[in-house]
Amino acid sequence: EVQLVESGGGLVQPGRSMKLSCAASGLTFSNYYMAWVRQVPTKGLEWVAYISNGGDYTYYRDSVKGRFTVSRDNAKSTLYLQVDSLRSEDTATYYCARRIFKYGMDVMDAWGQGVSVTVSS
Amino acid sequence: DIVMTQSPTSMSISVGDRVTMNCKASQNVGSNVDWYQQKIGQSPKLLFYKASSRFTGVPDRFTGSGSGTDFTFTINNVQAEDLAVYYCLQSNSYPYTFGAGTKLELK
Repeated sequence: EVQLVESGGGLVQPGRSMKLSCAASGLTFSNYYMAWVRQVPTKGLEWVAYISNGGDYTYYRDSVKGRFTVSRDNAKSTLYLQVDSLRSEDTATYYCARRIFKYGMDVMDAWGQGVSVTVSS
Repeated sequence: DIVMTQSPTSMSISVGDRVTMNCKASQNVGSNVDWYQQKIGQSPKLLFYKASSRFTGVPDRFTGSGSGTDFTFTINNVQAEDLAVYYCLQSNSYPYTFGAGTKLELK
């Protein structure tokens, strides 16, 4: 069974940084693209970023470009999201998800339980 | 960005009902729409991809259809376990965008 477990969230002041982690098990991590999706109470779900299985391709939504960095350590089966220059509008629950990007499919078929990030002074 | 407009925002249903919800894209997304279910306190769960392809393990009382800009998701014989928020997602062009969701509630 695929398990994705996020960690690293919490309360942080505006302008500060935080690093979210997503530990994966039950899958050959290096075979899969991975994604970060966030859920903002007033705005619903937002697709934030993705990274290719080898880590050589990444993509970010415009509002986080230059502030967020997605990376992975395939030897540790762990996905990361470095979030810098945090803003109040980054307050959300952040989910990591496995992205199936082959065989004509492009879906997020397994999700973590989510980690809460609150940006407030 | 492509805007996905879901309707209705919420539905009050009874067990055994047939429910239909819609998702309209602000531009042509082909068949690149997925549907997710999110129950209270849980993460989203994939139900359909490519508009009408049922994901592994999804009961056949759920169906998806549509292409272009208009998509429909139907649940036949709704069960209590189906109470959730349902989201559509377009995966045609970046950034992928979700609809705001349709919430199913019991009457």
